[in-house]
Amino acid sequence: DVKVTQSSRYLVKRTGEKVFLECVQDMDHENMFWYRQDPGLGLRLIYFSYDVKMKEKGDIPEGYSVSREKKERFSLILESASTNQTSMYLCASRLLAGARYEQFFGPGTRLTVL
Amino acid sequence: SQQGEEDPQALSIQEGENATMNCSYKTSINNLQWYRQNSGRGLVHLILIRSNEREKHSGRLRVTLDTSKKSSSLLITASRAADTASYFCATDKGNNDMRFGAGTRLTVKP
Repeated sequence: DVKVTQSSRYLVKRTGEKVFLECVQDMDHENMFWYRQDPGLGLRLIYFSYDVKMKEKGDIPEGYSVSREKKERFSLILESASTNQTSMYLCASRLLAGARYEQFFGPGTRLTVL
Repeated sequence: SQQGEEDPQALSIQEGENATMNCSYKTSINNLQWYRQNSGRGLVHLILIRSNEREKHSGRLRVTLDTSKKSSSLLITASRAADTASYFCATDKGNNDMRFGAGTRLTVKP
């Protein structure tokens, strides 16, 4: 079974701090994604990566950056955390884009920015 | 921006009843997927239906897709208390452009 792990389940940070959220998948998937989930808004795509060192912006990339130095690891970085970035962050991976492939999600990181 | 929109936002039924959730979307898709999320956890993939398919079954799940109406439905038959969760549809254009709706919160009462 595919396993997607996220570095923390719960995280509390202060405004202005630099925050790193780590995601690791163990099935050699090409594609990895970062979403944030807020009540009533569903999941919104922040960034995705289709290969090592490759990244694409999603719908809400402002205030975030990402890093993919190794195939199995995709990091989300909040350069200067703000209270409006308090949210649930979900990482996902997928073998390939295309008609047959579903996403596998990590358990999520609930981030609170004070 | 969201692509899929689920309806209803919340659904409460008794154990043993069927639960139907609907999803509407706006643009053409390659496939549509349904996911389940238990409270405070990640999403789990349930079923994928391709744009050239009309109906698909998996255990107690039945999914339909009507591309002319840009809509899909998820039917859970003989529901159980353990089916209590949020259910999301996700539209996939096949190029990593995958969009999720806001979800339907299903409560199954024992």
